Amino acid sequence: AQSVTQLGSHVSVSEGALVLLRCNYSSSVPPYLFWYVQYPNQGLQLLLKYTSAATLVKGINGFEAEFKKSETSFHLTKPSAHMSDAAEYFCAVSDQRGYNKLIFGAGTRLAVHP
Amino acid sequence: EAGVVQSPRYKIIEKKQPVAFWCNPISGHNTLYWYRQNLGQGPELLIRYENEEAVDDSQLPKDRFSAERLKGVDSTLKIQPAELGDSAVYLCASSALLARGPTDTQYFGPGTRLTVL
Repeated sequence: AQSVTQLGSHVSVSEGALVLLRCNYSSSVPPYLFWYVQYPNQGLQLLLKYTSAATLVKGINGFEAEFKKSETSFHLTKPSAHMSDAAEYFCAVSDQRGYNKLIFGAGTRLAVHP
Repeated sequence: EAGVVQSPRYKIIEKKQPVAFWCNPISGHNTLYWYRQNLGQGPELLIRYENEEAVDDSQLPKDRFSAERLKGVDSTLKIQPAELGDSAVYLCASSALLARGPTDTQYFGPGTRLTVL
């Protein structure tokens, strides 16, 4: 069965600092991987997705993630945090059996302080 | 383009009462999903529709939950009777069935926050 583990339920960074949100996955087949962001009282918005093409994936709002098969990881990074990045971030994995069933991690809440 | 619309946004009910949530997907999206998001957790799929057909309802607690998607457009999720443990955010998402692939992007609505007292 597929699963996702997000290390750190809360991460706090200073404005302008590097953002690193960790995600490790478990999958018996080559996975597709996603990062979603959820702002307060809003639905989830796709940041980026890995679909077995380039291992370094660039998304919206300056975020990117690198797929590392040897480490079973798909960590999300942003070089310089903005106050507007404060939100909850979810990593998700999908199987490749022909439909998009997303298995989500528990989420990481990112706080950005001045 | 309008996004996924859900109503109501908030609902407070007594236990054992029925409740229903409504979702209108993005126009042209033939795949619709209902998720439940418990506090401090990620969303979990309850049911997935392709057009009118429920193609994955393995996670739907069928003793008290039901869903329908008449005419393959909007959908209703119902709980009867509600229990305390049903308090959660119920999210609806939709996607365009392109290659029927696992990379079809899902677009989420804002959710309905249910509180059962």
